[in-house]
Amino acid sequence: EPEVTQTPSHQVTQMGQEVILRCVPISNHLYFYWYRQILGQKVEFLVSFYNNEISEKSEIFDDQFSVERPDGSNFTLKIRSTKLEDSAMYFCASSPDGESYNEQFFGPGTRLTVL
Amino acid sequence: GENVEQHPSTLSVQEGDSAVIKCTYSDSASNYFPWYKQELGKGPQLIIDIRSNVGEKKDQRIAVTLNKTAKHFSLHITETQPEDSAVYFCAASTDKLIFGAGTRLAVHP
Repeated sequence: EPEVTQTPSHQVTQMGQEVILRCVPISNHLYFYWYRQILGQKVEFLVSFYNNEISEKSEIFDDQFSVERPDGSNFTLKIRSTKLEDSAMYFCASSPDGESYNEQFFGPGTRLTVL
Repeated sequence: GENVEQHPSTLSVQEGDSAVIKCTYSDSASNYFPWYKQELGKGPQLIIDIRSNVGEKKDQRIAVTLNKTAKHFSLHITETQPEDSAVYFCAASTDKLIFGAGTRLAVHP
């Protein structure tokens, strides 16, 4: 069964450093998302991406964040200058086109630890 | 803003009993209501969903109900098994998913 994959599974970085989290969505999906989950809290929407551009972003997704689809398979989230409060699980999700466009399938997540 | 409330936060049942988790949402434009199961160290797994034009949907031991007027939706698990133990999240969606806070379900043998 096709699945969303994410790398790395765990990333440790120093405050102020840049990180890139990588995702490979399900191959025939056209909508891509990033969510985050701070330990013990609910999953929060960050950004959605369709047709090579951001379609919606939350207040969390400020100028320090960016997303990119550099090729036909990868979808990345970049945090330019990490802060302690960026420590969280980051989940990538994707969904197909058509009437099932909002059926989002999640990857296993990347645990980001900012020291 | 958009919000989804989920209750209870923890639920403990004996194997074979039923479990019910309830959610309410605030955005009347929401038209899609998925439920996710999250096991330790894994991402949320879509287990069942319901759309706003349907009142109830069932898949084996899992069922969801939706009351659009009251903005309530619920997950029902019958004949629970120890492997059902996980955190369950409801969500409401127009495009992005707005998640509830989660319910930690423990099924005791």
